[in-house]
Amino acid sequence: GDSVTQMEGPVTLSEEAFLTINCTYTATGYPSLFWYVQYPGEGLQLLLKATKADDKGSNKGFEATYRKETTSFHLEKGSVQVSDSAVYFCALKTVDTGNQFYFGTGTSLTVIP
Amino acid sequence: DGGITQSPKYLFRKEGQNVTLSCEQNLNHDAMYWYRQDPGQGLRLIYYSQIVNDFQKGDIAEGYSVSREKKESFPLTVTSAQKNPTAFYLCASSIQPTGGSSSEAFFGQGTRLTVV
Repeated sequence: GDSVTQMEGPVTLSEEAFLTINCTYTATGYPSLFWYVQYPGEGLQLLLKATKADDKGSNKGFEATYRKETTSFHLEKGSVQVSDSAVYFCALKTVDTGNQFYFGTGTSLTVIP
Repeated sequence: DGGITQSPKYLFRKEGQNVTLSCEQNLNHDAMYWYRQDPGQGLRLIYYSQIVNDFQKGDIAEGYSVSREKKESFPLTVTSAQKNPTAFYLCASSIQPTGGSSSEAFFGQGTRLTVV
């Protein structure tokens, strides 16, 4: 079945460091891919998405490229800030599975000054 | 403002009591979803609905029930049969375009249920 595998955390970085959070997927159809962010005690917010191969999603300095050949959608940011501390979820959705969303287990990021 | 509203934010119940969590959206979305989140874990799908008067079980439906009588509302009842109900519950909605999967989910702020 469809699934998402995320790099395990927690991840701790110093401010202005480079961030990569790995995400790979398994899907029977042609998925859309998403990154969500969750701050403590809140719901998830969409960070970025990509709907077809080679698309790059970007928002607030974060980027991820839909790589069909490696079934990956890694999240990157060139210079993290303390305010980026949160839990990040990778997710996919396909028509073949009735438009269900499949989420990874989340990666906790802490950025220290 | 358009959005998805969950209420209440915090809920306490005694063991053995049923409790209903509210989820309302004014985004005119067809699909709605309920997820459970436990500390340090990802989201697990409880139920989802793609259209009014229809819903499907997710991965952990046992001990839960839902209804979808109106497009904008998708309440979740946690019954006494749910063995470990204390958790953070998230409701989400999504446009359901025909023939495509590109639409994202919009989430509510969640309800933290504690059963004592």
